[in-house]
Amino acid sequence: GENVEQHPSTLSVQEGDSAVIKCTYSDSASNYFPWYKQELGKGPQLIIDIRSNVGEKKDQRIAVTLNKTAKHFSLHITETQPEDSAVYFCAASRGAGNTPLVFGKGTRLSVIA
Amino acid sequence: GAVVSQHPSWVICKSGTSVKIECRSLDFQATTMFWYRQFPKQSLMLMATSNEGSKATYEQGVEKDKFLINHASLTLSTLTVTSAHPEDSSFYICSARIANYGYTFGSGTRLTVV
Repeated sequence: GENVEQHPSTLSVQEGDSAVIKCTYSDSASNYFPWYKQELGKGPQLIIDIRSNVGEKKDQRIAVTLNKTAKHFSLHITETQPEDSAVYFCAASRGAGNTPLVFGKGTRLSVIA
Repeated sequence: GAVVSQHPSWVICKSGTSVKIECRSLDFQATTMFWYRQFPKQSLMLMATSNEGSKATYEQGVEKDKFLINHASLTLSTLTVTSAHPEDSSFYICSARIANYGYTFGSGTRLTVV
């Protein structure tokens, strides 16, 4: 089955700096790679996703890159703000039928004002 | 669109009792619902996959007789934690896959067994 590795587990950045979180996956058939932000006591919220036919996707301060050959994908947050502080999870899926998302272990991002 | 409503958002129960968690798809039909469990400061771990009208598929190490899943309609899936014990205290989250869209999640249920 799919295995998703995520690094780092914790990340502290100064407000305004960029943050990068990296994930690798094992199943070459995976083709859907979302990123979620989770705040304490709440369910995960989708912030951006990418499919395997695209190498990069951007939405304002957030971008995701995908390298299918190397089986890794990354989340980039620019101009970080204190409200970006949360736990971020990457996930992977074959995106079809009854296939669930498999999550990385999460990254606790702290943005220091 | 594609909203999954999960209830209750939190529940406290006594050890040995059972608790039912409901997930309803409000504006779409969910033929499949995924159930995850998340312990504090850990990731979401898949417990089981429920399919409307058939038996759920459980992940290795998850007791099917303890975590009863029912998916009797296209809009409702339930997870019942039977004979709950303190070690079952966790955050339970349901999720559904939407064709050509992705996945949507319920808001989660915080279960505390005392």
